[in-house]
Amino acid sequence: DQQVKQNSPSLSVQEGRISILNCDYTNSMFDYFLWYKKYPAEGPTFLISISSIKDKNEDGRFTVFLNKSAKHLSLHIVPSQPGDSAVYFCAASDQAGTALIFGKGTTLSVSS
Amino acid sequence: DVKVTQSSRYLVKRTGEKVFLECVQDMDHENMFWYRQDPGLGLRLIYFSYDVKMKEKGDIPEGYSVSREKKERFSLILESASTNQTSMYLCATQYRGNQPQHFGDGTRLSIL
Repeated sequence: DQQVKQNSPSLSVQEGRISILNCDYTNSMFDYFLWYKKYPAEGPTFLISISSIKDKNEDGRFTVFLNKSAKHLSLHIVPSQPGDSAVYFCAASDQAGTALIFGKGTTLSVSS
Repeated sequence: DVKVTQSSRYLVKRTGEKVFLECVQDMDHENMFWYRQDPGLGLRLIYFSYDVKMKEKGDIPEGYSVSREKKERFSLILESASTNQTSMYLCATQYRGNQPQHFGDGTRLSIL
């Protein structure tokens, strides 16, 4: 049973617009959440994280929102750029904060 | 900058062979991890280590073993390679719990 779900396999957005990637989780013990970006033939690159004591975290063009009651988090990219085209993985861990559970990924395509 | 080095980018082996994948980090991180990534399945944890000579099974440890004799090096061993172990293998490190994991560029392993 998937504990971290990314229900949209792909997303297409125009350059300059907002990209919103979504992630749902089922385990209420998760309290640390991360987003990674992955280009083909490279390892995942850490983008942004959020702990369960917060509901929002920003880093430049990237903002992560956490809704604990809905067990839902989202990544907003504003404005989207062609270089953002990649696979985005959502991940979560419990209070120990070691092993990560990953979603299956969403492929973002940003067209110019 | 965090540097995680995997010994090979591409590797081709035959069924039944014993295969070693090596991962080296230079950041003095406590925790190290081995994942495999398969299309449509995201990243799945094979094994991780939280200290020298310590290891924990992940979600899919069958057919694999690991070795961590020194803090900076974490090896993944396929005892008797099979075709269903053809995959992209990713090593990651983590300074400590509730911190991001940092990934190497991966080893694409083909078992013929």
